[in-house]
Amino acid sequence: DIQMTQSPSTLSASVGDRVTVTCRASQSISSWLAWYQQKPGKPPKLLIYKASSLESGVPSRFSGSGSGTEFTLTISSLQPDDFATYYCQQYNSYPYTFGQGTKLEIK
Amino acid sequence: QITLKESGPTLVKPTQTLTLTCTFSGFSLSTSGVGVGWIRQPPGKALEWLALIYWDDDKRYSPSLKSRLTITKDTSKNQVVLTMTNMDPVDTATYYCAHANYDILTGYYTNYYYYYMDVWGKGTTVTVSS
Repeated sequence: DIQMTQSPSTLSASVGDRVTVTCRASQSISSWLAWYQQKPGKPPKLLIYKASSLESGVPSRFSGSGSGTEFTLTISSLQPDDFATYYCQQYNSYPYTFGQGTKLEIK
Repeated sequence: QITLKESGPTLVKPTQTLTLTCTFSGFSLSTSGVGVGWIRQPPGKALEWLALIYWDDDKRYSPSLKSRLTITKDTSKNQVVLTMTNMDPVDTATYYCAHANYDILTGYYTNYYYYYMDVWGKGTTVTVSS
């Protein structure tokens, strides 16, 4: 199985900050990576697919980059609605695997 | 608009079999390229991919759970059913179904499809306890 490792596990930031979450794959997954946002008691919401493609309706302050084994999710200017947990997921090969999550907290 | 809704028991006893139904609208599993997946999340923990079924009845399972899982589809009812045998308290989780969308990689002789989950149901919580 491909292991997905996110860092940091927890991130404290303020409204207006630029934040970056990193996701590393244990082997190359080309660009077959998705990012999800999850709020407590809610299902995950797709933000980014194919490493850098913004899902329809997702604010442009979210962006993704990377290929191979290293990927980043960047939020250019944090908004109050962005405090949540973020997951990366590879869909290069079965079994699909998720990172352990990054919880974005208010500083 | 694509929507999905999970249904099933909220409480099962250890060793019992869990049957979950995903009822969806806004797409058809008889349409080429369509897929539906199942993912679960234990309380306070990360997401875990379980299984995926495609329009052509191809099925993929998590290797760690493959012996316990069965995924089927009923195209006429717009439903996907997941069964998990021999339930254990560690299987306590919220279970989600999701629509699988795809990217295409164009090859020399054929195209390759890579599926990701773009629309999720709200989830159903299952507790395993005697």
